[in-house]
Amino acid sequence: EAGVTQFPSHSVIEKGQTVTLRCDPISGHDNLYWYRRVMGKEIKFLLHFVKESKQDESGMPNNRFLAERTGGTYSTLKVQPAELEDSGVYFCASSQSRGARAGYTFGSGTRLTVV
Amino acid sequence: AQTVTQSQPEMSVQEAETVTLSCTYDTSENNYYLFWYKQPPSRQMILVIRQEAYKQQNATENRFSVNFQKAAKSFSLKISDSQLGDTAMYFCAFPGLSGAGSYQLTFGKGTKLSVIP
Repeated sequence: EAGVTQFPSHSVIEKGQTVTLRCDPISGHDNLYWYRRVMGKEIKFLLHFVKESKQDESGMPNNRFLAERTGGTYSTLKVQPAELEDSGVYFCASSQSRGARAGYTFGSGTRLTVV
Repeated sequence: AQTVTQSQPEMSVQEAETVTLSCTYDTSENNYYLFWYKQPPSRQMILVIRQEAYKQQNATENRFSVNFQKAAKSFSLKISDSQLGDTAMYFCAFPGLSGAGSYQLTFGKGTKLSVIP
């Protein structure tokens, strides 16, 4: 089966611009997660979709970040306008179940650099 | 809130030798899971091994095993017969239940492991 796919793998944008990251989960996985790793820090949870609904968006840093999952398939994470502190690696993960036992399947991440 | 600590930012090991990566955590939960993830350079993060807290037996997956000490809240990863392909960042992670009813992974900062030929 295809894994979790993220586009683009790298993105360099200027401060104030807009960037949209995309994640295609494993087919049939209702649960989709976004995580972020800022340089030198831990990987942090951003939000969790169950199908097209946001189950938990407590990790979203501010209203410059907008996540969508129309139709419950792929998801996008838009940053508008981007700031320097948004630089980091953005990971997407998916799972069939949402229990603690679920070993999420991660994508390779999108490395975002804001200059 | 849960915390996960990996105290070794970088480690190296000779090929075919054994290495242990440490992880400690803090939680008020009694029944939970713990994970070790591996991220090779420029590749996706994959689940290496999973431990259920109520199981006293340490989990084992081929050359990977854990030393789980529940009372000490310690969850170390042992890699036996290290191979060049084991070179990667290793993350210890704890799935905690958020107030919104979602399991969020809390990660340690990671340990960069280099296997030396």
